[in-house]
Amino acid sequence: DAGITQSPRHKVTETGTPVTLRCHQTENHRYMYWYRQDPGHGLRLIHYSYGVKDTDKGEVSDGYSVSRSKTEDFLLTLESATSSQTSVYFCAISGGVFEKLFFGSGTQLSVL
Amino acid sequence: AQSVTQPDIHITVSEGASLELRCNYSYGATPYLFWYVQSPGQGLQLLLKYFSGDTLVQGIKGFEAEFKRSQSSFNLRKPSVHWSDAAEYFCAVGADSGGSNYKLTFGKGTLLTVNP
Repeated sequence: DAGITQSPRHKVTETGTPVTLRCHQTENHRYMYWYRQDPGHGLRLIHYSYGVKDTDKGEVSDGYSVSRSKTEDFLLTLESATSSQTSVYFCAISGGVFEKLFFGSGTQLSVL
Repeated sequence: AQSVTQPDIHITVSEGASLELRCNYSYGATPYLFWYVQSPGQGLQLLLKYFSGDTLVQGIKGFEAEFKRSQSSFNLRKPSVHWSDAAEYFCAVGADSGGSNYKLTFGKGTLLTVNP
């Protein structure tokens, strides 16, 4: 299995608080992605990175920001958490265009 | 921007029956196309992928998919379904907008139920 770790695995927080999720990889892969998975919506792309300090928005980026200061870490921040951001968040990595994605185990986030 | 549509939210088939899961994409250029499967409580596994060449691609677990440019489709098929194929299936499209800016967008998924 690819070396990809998400932390925390579970988090419960309150509305209005900032939250940061971390994705760490040991594969030296160029591409890193943050998705959220919700019933009926499949996997929706939040933000992604195609290199250190190179990031771009996905289809549901409002309320989220990311940073990638080094190859191995990709941080997702919820600036001010809302209940609509309760979801399972997956980080994924790939070595290049047309290569398969490797997924982390997911983070279950509950915003109360 | 690219997008993916999986018209069928839920499909039920009998074990041993054939299967076809539909996927339509929208993208201006030739896309990178993928099918992933997610079993309950598991992560996503790549079944197959297509970018160029033979439009009929073979994947793992006996799955195949056919790319039809005229229909903007990439449908997944299996001749005979096994109970272990019960899972959620996701079609995805990758697009390179230049400068190595590449992203992968998933459809909403099709949940497959297999009856004995």
